[in-house]
Amino acid sequence: DIQMTQSPPSLSASVGDRVTITCRASQNIDKYLNWYQQKPGKAPNLLIYAASTLQSGVPSRFSGSASETNFTLTISGLQPEDFATYYCQQSFSPYRTFGQGTKVEVK
Amino acid sequence: EVQLVESGGGLVKPGGSLRLSCEGSEVIFSSRTMNWVRQTPGKGLEWVSSISSSGTYVYYADSVKGRFNISRDNAKNSLYLHMSSLTAQDTAVYYCARAVTIFGVVNFDFWGQGTLVTVSS
Repeated sequence: DIQMTQSPPSLSASVGDRVTITCRASQNIDKYLNWYQQKPGKAPNLLIYAASTLQSGVPSRFSGSASETNFTLTISGLQPEDFATYYCQQSFSPYRTFGQGTKVEVK
Repeated sequence: EVQLVESGGGLVKPGGSLRLSCEGSEVIFSSRTMNWVRQTPGKGLEWVSSISSSGTYVYYADSVKGRFNISRDNAKNSLYLHMSSLTAQDTAVYYCARAVTIFGVVNFDFWGQGTLVTVSS
């Protein structure tokens, strides 16, 4: 199975900060990478698919990029509603594994 | 609006069985691959299983293979997960999620609210 390794597991940030979360795949997955946001007690919400395409309705401060097996989610100008946990997911394989998650907390 | 509603969760003893259901609000349910994803309390997401639109192709995570069975009834816009030989490690919130393919990449664009399964004696 393809393993997805996210880092860091958590981070502390302030409103207005630029935040970067990384996800590394255990093998080449091309652009088959999605990002989700989850808030406590809620289902995950799709943010970015195909590594860098914003889901409809997602603010433009969210962006995604890819370099070989490394993927990055960037939040440019963190907003109060962005404090949440973020997960990457590969869809290269039909066994659609998630990363362990990165919790973005208030500094 | 697409809506997915899970049901069937609850308390079950180790070694027991349980069947989860997920009902979609639109006919479009029948043309989509559907998935089950679980989340252990306080932990991350784990993809559990998927089933193609016709039910022809099914996949399972290694952690549930041989114990869980996914199925669907497109006439009822419903997805099911039959779970057996349950252990404490299966305790989690179980979500159903719809898969769509855009630019050739599958993503999970709609999720249910989740149903809690607790395995305990």
